[in-house]
Amino acid sequence: EVQLVEAGGGLVQPGGSLRLSCAASGFAFSTYSMNWVRQAPGKGLEWVSFISRPGSPVYYADSVKGRFTISRDNAKNSLYLQMNSLRAEDTAVYYCARQTYRYGSDNYFDSWGQGTLVTVSS
Amino acid sequence: DIVMTQSPDSLAVSLGERATINCKSSQSVLYSSNNENYLAWYQQKPGQPPKLLIYWASTRESGVPDRFSGSGSGTDFTLTISALQAEDVAVYYCQQYYSTPYSFGQGTKLEIK
Repeated sequence: EVQLVEAGGGLVQPGGSLRLSCAASGFAFSTYSMNWVRQAPGKGLEWVSFISRPGSPVYYADSVKGRFTISRDNAKNSLYLQMNSLRAEDTAVYYCARQTYRYGSDNYFDSWGQGTLVTVSS
Repeated sequence: DIVMTQSPDSLAVSLGERATINCKSSQSVLYSSNNENYLAWYQQKPGQPPKLLIYWASTRESGVPDRFSGSGSGTDFTLTISALQAEDVAVYYCQQYYSTPYSFGQGTKLEIK
């Protein structure tokens, strides 16, 4: 069974940092690209970042570029999101999501974790 | 960047009746080399993560009831629930995976009338 378990969320002050992790199991982690998607309270889904199977390339939403860093450790079956210079508008549930691969490109998100809540507030 | 716009924002349908949700992309998500539309639909129930329903615009994910169907091509897409069940109450999102930044529609909240 595919499992994605996020951790690392919590309360942080504006300007602070937080590192999220996503532990993967039940599948060959190194063969899938991964993403972070967030959802502010009561709002819709917002894609945050992508990382390919070997760890490069990576892509970011403009809203987090220069502040967030996505990484992975295929030996540990883990995905990470380092979040710096946090703002109130970064408050959200952060989901990790597995991305399928077909036709020579990365495609839809077929498995999602339960999410971890990040609250940025003083 | 591709903008995804769903309509309506909310929808109330009687049990057993048809529900239709529309999604429009600001540019085509049809990839000419494989003739596939890079469009997915997700269902999200309160307190749960999104769940994949439909990909390639019209392919049902394994285990998804056949009352859910997707259609459309290019820039205009539709998710149809043929006979609404109580467990279908949720928010539905379309998403394009044609290019980064990947983008979602704003969501359509489906309720029972």
